[in-house]
Amino acid sequence: DIQMTQSPSSLSASVGDSVTITCRASRDINNFLNWYQQKLGRAPKVLIYAASTLQSGVPSRFSGSGSGTDFTLTISGLQPEDFATYYCQQSFSTPRTFGQGTKVEIK
Amino acid sequence: VQLQESGPGLVKPSETLSLTCTVSGASIDRGIYYWTWIRQSPGKGLETIGTIDYSGSTDYNPSLKSRVTISLDTSKNQFSLRLDSVTAADTAVYYCARDGWGDVSPVSWFDPWGQGTLVIVSS
Repeated sequence: DIQMTQSPSSLSASVGDSVTITCRASRDINNFLNWYQQKLGRAPKVLIYAASTLQSGVPSRFSGSGSGTDFTLTISGLQPEDFATYYCQQSFSTPRTFGQGTKVEIK
Repeated sequence: VQLQESGPGLVKPSETLSLTCTVSGASIDRGIYYWTWIRQSPGKGLETIGTIDYSGSTDYNPSLKSRVTISLDTSKNQFSLRLDSVTAADTAVYYCARDGWGDVSPVSWFDPWGQGTLVIVSS
């Protein structure tokens, strides 16, 4: 299985801040990397697919980059509704695997 | 497209967990999609259990393969999960989701997801 490692596991930030979350794959996955947002009690929702393509309807303050083994998710100008847990997920091979999550909390 | 999980919320240890995902807005026997079961527990995070495609071909997570069966019921537009010999470690929120592709990308992603159903394994 491909292991996905996210950092940090949690962070505190204020409304308006920019934050960056990192995801590292245990081997080269090209750009087969997706990012999800999960709010308490809800299913994850895809934000970005193929490492950098914004899903339809997702605000442009979300952006993704990277290729190979190292990827980042950036939120530019945190909004109150962005406080949630974020997961990366690889779709290069099965079983699809997820990072352990990064919880973004209000400072 | 909407997905909805259903099934018992409580299962006894050593028994079988059975869940069904009802799909609306799309036919599960058309299109190149992987209909997927995913679970989420505090201890193991998000874990893909397995997938089934439109033809009934399955792919299971090796860590669960000996206990898992995923099946398709095209007449009801449903797919189902069966997990045998459950223990407390199988307590989790279980989601069904579609793993699919966009028009131009070779990369697939999970969308949509069901709302999730909590299954507790306890006597």
